[in-house]
Amino acid sequence: DTEVTQTPKHLVMGMTNKKSLKCEQHMGHRAMYWYKQKAKKPPELMFVYSYEKLSINESVPSRFSPECPNSSLLNLHLHALQPEDSALYLCASSPRNKGLDTEAFFGQGTRLTVV
Amino acid sequence: AQSVTQLDSQVPVFEEAPVELRCNYSSSVSVYLFWYVQYPNQGLQLLLKYLSGSTLVKGINGFEAEFNKSQTSFHLRKPSVHISDTAEYFCAVSDISNFGNEKLTFGTGTRLTIIP
Repeated sequence: DTEVTQTPKHLVMGMTNKKSLKCEQHMGHRAMYWYKQKAKKPPELMFVYSYEKLSINESVPSRFSPECPNSSLLNLHLHALQPEDSALYLCASSPRNKGLDTEAFFGQGTRLTVV
Repeated sequence: AQSVTQLDSQVPVFEEAPVELRCNYSSSVSVYLFWYVQYPNQGLQLLLKYLSGSTLVKGINGFEAEFNKSQTSFHLRKPSVHISDTAEYFCAVSDISNFGNEKLTFGTGTRLTIIP
């Protein structure tokens, strides 16, 4: 299994709603990531979890709250978002093995629209 | 810090013609280099990567890339393109000291359009 599974595929939410994006991998990877991709732009890193601990937060607003319940799951909790937060949210994972073969596997993304 | 420059935002190519997508990077430390492809409304799929060793790297779907340290380049090539190669292509780097791709920095992407 070399898949990263993201749910839901599409999400429309109001600015007062609370929702969560979910990401799951069963490759035994110990690093997981959230990226945000606006239309016609490259992905931008939001958060990195390494061994279930938050290791990088790229100054993301607090209305985005990541959570890593275990080594296979990564959530992104959303609250009081703005229309400009509408984007494709990509989850990725990597083995995090120093000096060994490494690459990031990406999920298909969640297309988020904030209305 | 690293940065990636993809010089061409759009590249139209006739079917069965060769193509080269250009990528240059800037970094004060050693980096890993990657090319990803993104089809419409999809996630990113790894085409190929350079970690060490031979500077000519072969990937999936007939693509290859050559790492040139002196020119800080990692251009992507395919000798004969197909309609199905129409997609967005991203070059990316990561700081080797962070155990690989803890933090991928992407270029702005090149839209490859194959003309029948």
